[in-house]
This record gives sequence, structure tokens and C-alpha cells, in this order.
Amino acid sequence: DGGITQSPKYLFRKEGQNVTLSCEQNLNHDAMYWYRQDPGQGLRLIYYSQIVNDFQKGDIAEGYSVSREKKESFPLTVTSAQKNPTAFYLCASSDLLPLTGPGRNTEAFFGQGTRLTVV
Amino acid sequence: SQKIEQNSEALNIQEGKTATLTCNYTNYSPAYLQWYRQDPGRGPVFLLLIRENEKEKRKERLKVTFDTTLKQSLFHITASQPADSATYLCAPHTGGYNKLIFGAGTRLAVHP
Repeated sequence: DGGITQSPKYLFRKEGQNVTLSCEQNLNHDAMYWYRQDPGQGLRLIYYSQIVNDFQKGDIAEGYSVSREKKESFPLTVTSAQKNPTAFYLCASSDLLPLTGPGRNTEAFFGQGTRLTVV
Repeated sequence: SQKIEQNSEALNIQEGKTATLTCNYTNYSPAYLQWYRQDPGRGPVFLLLIRENEKEKRKERLKVTFDTTLKQSLFHITASQPADSATYLCAPHTGGYNKLIFGAGTRLAVHP
């Protein structure tokens, strides 16, 4: 089955530790994204990538790092510099978004999310 | 800076009525706009995409409009059902470097 998989579903982190969230897709998508969602809030973009070995900061990149060594994988590391990491993290992938229409339809596919809690 | 606004207050409607959700954007001109549905504890799921040269798009009970003059998209669900209760997110395309950002979403509650 094609899809996008995040692991683990739940993650607990001690203060001062780095943790890495996994995101893998077998949809052959070029673009991948990481979002953070706090309770009752919308999705905020952390990092995004449109090609292997290249990625861009989103709106809230401080305290996070990513890598894109393979097309299928886009892991997110939450570092100890992130002051308030407790949140729901979502990974997504898509074809490269067309800049103008008409073009092919595209949609983002999301993983099931990782709920990170600092203990 | 680019800004996306959706009504932060929950929309409560009776079953069978039409729900209308609003997405406003400022400081850019998206070539297209997407709508997604998110259920609690789950990732969003794509619903519809509308391009700037399309005034209206329909899919079953869903209808989306796109007014580039008003910088607004409206999302309608006709004959709403309790199963339509969810948060609905809009994502106007930002134009640059594949950046996909979303509005904060509007929570819809359909009551029997």
C-alpha cells in the first residue's frame, strides 16, 4: 500500500534531550513537510523540502533540524533548544506544487502524526 | 507578510442545512487554493482544489468558490450530516518554492 508513515505514534522526552521523529513515504513524492499542531490550533510549518539534500525553514524552525538524504525519508529532530516541544507533529508529502494553473492536480498526504510529550 | 484567515469560532448548524466556511488571504495572489478536512488526532485529508481561473468547483455535496478580487474562498457543504463534523482547513498556494501553509481552520459541528 502506498502511503506516508510516521513513527512513533507517541513519544516521551526528558528535558534537555534531543529526539528524532521518523517520516517515510513510498508515494514517490518530491516534496515533504513537517508541521506542528498545538491543542485547538492550526498547522504551523517547521521545515519543508522539494528535493533530496535540500530543505527550507518554515515559520517556526527554531529548535528543530531536518535532513533529506533519501527521497522517501524526512526525519525531524527536536533539539533541546526547543523550549516548548510538547505538541502533535505531522509529516506530509506531495508532488511538486504547480506554480500556475492549469496543471496537474496535487494534494498533500499526511501521516498519522506523532504526539510528543516532555516529561 | 502573507496571511490566511479562517473564522476561529466553531460553526454549529442543524443537520440538513448548508454550512458555509470562509477563507480570506492577504498580501499575495495564489494561483490555486486547496481545502482539507481534519478529524481530531488525525492528519488532514485533501478535499478539493480550485484554480484562480475557476469561479466554482463541486464534488458531491461540496462546493468551493474562489474570488480573487475579494481574496476569498468559500467552502459549502450542502445537506450537512453529523459525519461532516470536523475542522476544515484552507491552503492558498503561496507561489514560492513549494511552501504549503494552512489557515488555522474552522471547526464545524453538525447537530442531529
